[in-house]
Order: sequence, then structure tokens, then C-alpha cells
Amino acid sequence: DTGVSQDPRHKITKRGQNVTFRCDPISEHNHLYWYRQTLGQGPEFLTYFQNEAQLEKSRLLSDRFSAERPKGSFSTLEIQRTEQGDSAMYLCASSFSSPGELFFGEGSRLTVL
Amino acid sequence: GENVGLHLPTLSVQEGDNSIINCAYSNSASDYFIWYKQESGKGPQFIIDIRSNMDKRQGQRVTVLLNKTVKHLSLQIAATQPGDSAVYFCAENWQGGKLIFGQGTELSVKP
Repeated sequence: DTGVSQDPRHKITKRGQNVTFRCDPISEHNHLYWYRQTLGQGPEFLTYFQNEAQLEKSRLLSDRFSAERPKGSFSTLEIQRTEQGDSAMYLCASSFSSPGELFFGEGSRLTVL
Repeated sequence: GENVGLHLPTLSVQEGDNSIINCAYSNSASDYFIWYKQESGKGPQFIIDIRSNMDKRQGQRVTVLLNKTVKHLSLQIAATQPGDSAVYFCAENWQGGKLIFGQGTELSVKP
């Protein structure tokens, strides 16, 4: 399978704990995006990388959220001191060109108890 | 955030009929638009895209129409099948490469 891969697919954690999600994009894609989606809504943009550079970060993103793409390949999204409001599906996408079609992974579903 | 509303608009059609899903986009400077299909528990899947220098683009069983005057997109699905049942999102490209998604429409196809 050469699509976008996300891990873990599901994560249940207690409030206050830290969680980290990993995304492996399609190998030749330089552009990588993180989105968050809650039930009944469209994906909400979080942050965008071109290669290893984080070019944009949503102003809605709390400073508890941090994302990295250290070698321009895989990316991680960390949420510190999780809150119940962080419960959502976290989607990663990659693209070959910008703007262009975003290829999405299956997402990592976070439940904060 | 940029997405509002918890209740998805729904469209129910009979198998074999044509479906039209509408979307109003927000930024008159957007230059690229995409329609995505999302099935339950899965990530969004690309259907068709269109650039702002076009009014219409056709794919296999799908057509996207763009009306820049009123900032409106539509997705037409011909001969709708039960496998088309899903939530459909339009997305627009603002500055740079990020896509901003609309609310979504749930399509239900009755056999």
C-alpha cells in the first residue's frame, strides 16, 4: 500500500496525558498537512509543511499542539495535556503539488476521557 | 472555526437518478476547488477538481460546475448508485496550498 499511513488508528487517553500521532505521506510528496475533524463537520486545517519547513499553522491551534517533519518525510503531531475537547479524528494528507489534490490517510481517532 | 454547524444537510435519491450537491464557497480569491467523498470511518477521497479558469469539468459519472459570480460549486453524479452513499465535501484553496472545507452534504441512495 503506497497511500498515506497514519498511526495509531485509535487512541484513548485520560485528560492531561500527552499523545503523539505519526503520519507517513506518499513518498514523492513534498507537501504534508494535518487536519482535525469532529462529528458532522468538515476537516479543519491545523498545519502545513513543505518538506521539513512548517509554513503555516492555524491561529486556532493551541500551543499544546506541536507538529514536526524532521527529515521532510514522516511527520508527528503531539498534543500535550490533552483535554476532552481534543477528542476528534486527526487526518494527515499529502500532495505532490500546491495547490493540488490532497491524498488523505484514514485518520487517527483520539478519545480523551 | 471555519466550519460551522453540527447538522449535515442531507440529500436522498433513488438509485439510478442523478444527484446534484451544492456548495457555497467563501473566498472570491480562491483559485482551485475539489470535491471529496467521505465514507464512515475513512479519510476523504478525491472525486474531481476544477481550477478557477474553468466553468465545468467532467469525470467518470461526475461533473463539477463552478460559478464564480455567485461563489457556487456543484457536483453532479449521474446514475447514482448505492456505493455513492457518503458525505460529500467541497473544498477551496485559499492562499498557498491548504484546502478549506465546507460543511458537507450527506447523500443517501435508496435501492
